[in-house]
Amino acid sequence: EIVLTQSPATLSLYPGERATLSCRASQSVSSYLAWYQQKPGQAPRLLIYDASNRATGIPARFSGTGSGTDFTLTISSLEAEDFAVYYCQQRSNWPGTFGQGTKLEIK
Amino acid sequence: EVQLVESGGGLVQPGGSLRLSCAASGFTFSSYEMNWVRQAPGKGLEWVSYISSTGRTTYYADSVKGRFTISRDNAKNSLYLQMKSLRAEDTAVYYCARDIKTTVTWFDYWGQGTLVTVSS
Repeated sequence: EIVLTQSPATLSLYPGERATLSCRASQSVSSYLAWYQQKPGQAPRLLIYDASNRATGIPARFSGTGSGTDFTLTISSLEAEDFAVYYCQQRSNWPGTFGQGTKLEIK
Repeated sequence: EVQLVESGGGLVQPGGSLRLSCAASGFTFSSYEMNWVRQAPGKGLEWVSYISSTGRTTYYADSVKGRFTISRDNAKNSLYLQMKSLRAEDTAVYYCARDIKTTVTWFDYWGQGTLVTVSS
């Protein structure tokens, strides 16, 4: 099973700052990686798929980069609604696995 | 607007059964593959089961294989998860999620979830 390790576990930033979240895979997943956002009491929402493609309706301040084993989700300028938990998911091998999440909190 | 609405969760004793439903609207349900994904309280996400658009192909996580059965009724735009021999570790919010195929498949829409609590 491919293990995804997300870091940091918690990230504390101010609105307007840049957020950089990391997801590292235990073996190469090529570009078969997605990012999801989950707010308290809500379902996850697909942000990025295939490592760098924004899903429908996702603002341009969200971007994804990486391939192989190292991936990054960047939020260029944080807005109040961006504070949430973020999960990465790989589907290089079926059925895929999720990372443990990074909590992005307001400083 | 795509909508997925789960129902059927609740409190059940260990060893008991429960059937979850997911009502879909706003898209051609019969054209999409669907999944169940769960999240234990305060924990991360775990894929549970998959069903093809026709219902002919199904897959399960090892943790639920032999106990859970996924099915769908395309005429009713509905997805189901029959759960038997429930254990405490099955306690979670269960989400139905739609597949979107790009290079592989991702979960592009999710329902709000239904809570299943297995406890005596």
